[in-house]
Amino acid sequence: DTAVSQTPKYLVTQMGNDKSIKCEQNLGHDTMYWYKQDSKKFLKIMFSYNNKELIINETVPNRFSPKSPDKAHLNLHINSLELGDSAVYFCASSKGWLGDEQYFGPGTRLTVT
Amino acid sequence: AQSVTQLGSHVSVSEGALVLLRCNYSSSVPPYLFWYVQYPNQGLQLLLKYTSAATLVKGINGFEAEFKKSETSFHLTKPSAHMSDAAEYFCAVRPAGTASKLTFGTGTRLQVTL
Repeated sequence: DTAVSQTPKYLVTQMGNDKSIKCEQNLGHDTMYWYKQDSKKFLKIMFSYNNKELIINETVPNRFSPKSPDKAHLNLHINSLELGDSAVYFCASSKGWLGDEQYFGPGTRLTVT
Repeated sequence: AQSVTQLGSHVSVSEGALVLLRCNYSSSVPPYLFWYVQYPNQGLQLLLKYTSAATLVKGINGFEAEFKKSETSFHLTKPSAHMSDAAEYFCAVRPAGTASKLTFGTGTRLQVTL
């Protein structure tokens, strides 16, 4: 029974396309996150939602737009994909936003050609 | 603002040897500290966390870490390495009691040799 799931696991697309990555958690958590891990394994937070409200919005191009239809889902839509967007994107969730541990999904490897 | 420094991007140990992965943090307020492990092609899994209770924290798979405020360190140790410990390890920090982001270190790849 997967706690945090992401689809798709792999995504290969061409520059200029628009794509979405979906994330779902069945842990009953209130807070969800999107992270980007680059080719050097560096992890950086992009967004965080608490009870469907955006609470963290790092310096991310506005081509990236998160959407949280409910507490269990946080999707990431990317417009006009660029080569530099190639990375592994991780979704995570936590019980609250006050420092509890985060549970990570398996990641989505995005390759832009 | 907070930051994390992981000394050594690659650490190699023999099977059965002590594992020591170093993490130093910077935080303007008391921190929460975490160690995560990432196996190849997988997401991150929490090993252990420090949230201002006991300074010696025990985690899964025989790992433990000690919070040393005077040294601003949170080094990860395991007495005896196993081949299955080979992975990428990330130290992370966030200020206690706030909605601040979790800041990760650059990671340490642990190699275990026979």
